[in-house]
Amino acid sequence: RKEVEQDPGPFNVPEGATVAFNCTYSNSASQSFFWYRQDCRKEPKLLMSVYSSGNEDGRFTAQLNRASQYISLLIRDSKLSDSATYLCVVKAGTASKLTFGTGTRLQVTL
Amino acid sequence: DAGITQSPRYKITETGRQVTLMCHQTWSHSYMFWYRQDLGHGLRLIYYSAAADITDKGEVPDGYVVSRSKTENFPLTLESATRSQTSVYFCASRRRGSDTEAFFGQGTRLTVV
Repeated sequence: RKEVEQDPGPFNVPEGATVAFNCTYSNSASQSFFWYRQDCRKEPKLLMSVYSSGNEDGRFTAQLNRASQYISLLIRDSKLSDSATYLCVVKAGTASKLTFGTGTRLQVTL
Repeated sequence: DAGITQSPRYKITETGRQVTLMCHQTWSHSYMFWYRQDLGHGLRLIYYSAAADITDKGEVPDGYVVSRSKTENFPLTLESATRSQTSVYFCASRRRGSDTEAFFGQGTRLTVV
């Protein structure tokens, strides 16, 4: 079983739609959680960290459920510029390394 | 310029040749990482380093060698390149701390023929 699992998509949604991505992780010692965004043929960049209480950044909302070992990302009012691959990222305890999911591709259309 | 840079950006090499990918960061971040990205596998960790002269294996280290004699540099060497090592390679760095952001270089697209 992979340490971090994501639905690869693609998710094809019209502009203005709300879309949700899910991610599950297998290591119960995981302590830090992130969503990264990767545009085609570019490097990944941090979108947002994910906190236990849930957090929001504009149109983006991230949730963490430690009991179910599950992370989600909600994008409201999708824009064409949101088209990208969204990577779920987990860090276990005091480990220095980040473990990436394979990513979920989002395509927002007119 | 401040940041993390990789070189070369593109490289074509022949099977059996040794090739070194360079990574340089200007932030003095403690941690540095090498990932490879392939379709269907996402980003997989090859090697990482917690500080100068401290390196450790990641998920897919076979066929690769790293060194870190200086904090700012973390070169990755393919000792004898194979076609299965054709991939996009990303170097990343981050400072110490639980929730610190990892910054990635622009990637090196390596083709082994």
